[in-house]
Amino acid sequence: QQQVKQSPQSLIVQKGGIPIINCAYENTAFDYFPWYQQFPGKGPALLIAIRPDVSEKKEGRFTISFNKSAKQFSLHIMDSQPGDSATYFCAASKNRDDKIIFGKGTRLHILP
Amino acid sequence: SQTIHQWPATLVQPVGSPLSLECTVEGTSNPNLYWYRQAAGRGLQLLFYSVGIGQISSEVPQNLSASRPQDRQFILSSKKLLLSDSGFYLCAWSVRGARNSPLHFGNGTRLTVT
Repeated sequence: QQQVKQSPQSLIVQKGGIPIINCAYENTAFDYFPWYQQFPGKGPALLIAIRPDVSEKKEGRFTISFNKSAKQFSLHIMDSQPGDSATYFCAASKNRDDKIIFGKGTRLHILP
Repeated sequence: SQTIHQWPATLVQPVGSPLSLECTVEGTSNPNLYWYRQAAGRGLQLLFYSVGIGQISSEVPQNLSASRPQDRQFILSSKKLLLSDSGFYLCAWSVRGARNSPLHFGNGTRLTVT
């Protein structure tokens, strides 16, 4: 059962551009929304995460925007670099649940 | 510091053969342990998770099984592989009982069933 919908499936952006990846969820019990970054041949690693009590969180060039009423959240990468080329996964979980549900991933390619 | 080890990194197995993938975690105690499978266009699919020795929850009915014989050891098995079992298998751990503990992944096993 797909509980977190992610788009686009792939994205190509020029260096310095701002790629945006969007995710939507249905379960209002979710209260934690992490993003994971995965490089080829490696396991995913936590990039940044947000809780629904804030509308935006920034860590370096990475920003999560959160819209609780629309049940949507997105990842923005400012001043994107070729080294940001990777697959990005959004995810969601509930406080008392040990499981994290992932979106299908977005393959991002930053052109030099 | 905590580390997670998965092996082998790549594996080619014929249809109908058995499978055993092993994952161990170092530097932490009583972790939650997970097996995920990653297939092209399907993202990360949770297969099994465990909150303790001998405690396994299955998320997807299939040809695979999991076991946790020791606190920091998680094994993914199959008696007879199918072509559809091909994929990238990832083991992960998180801190048990911690609110929204992030997942820490290993580097995965690329399984090709021929």
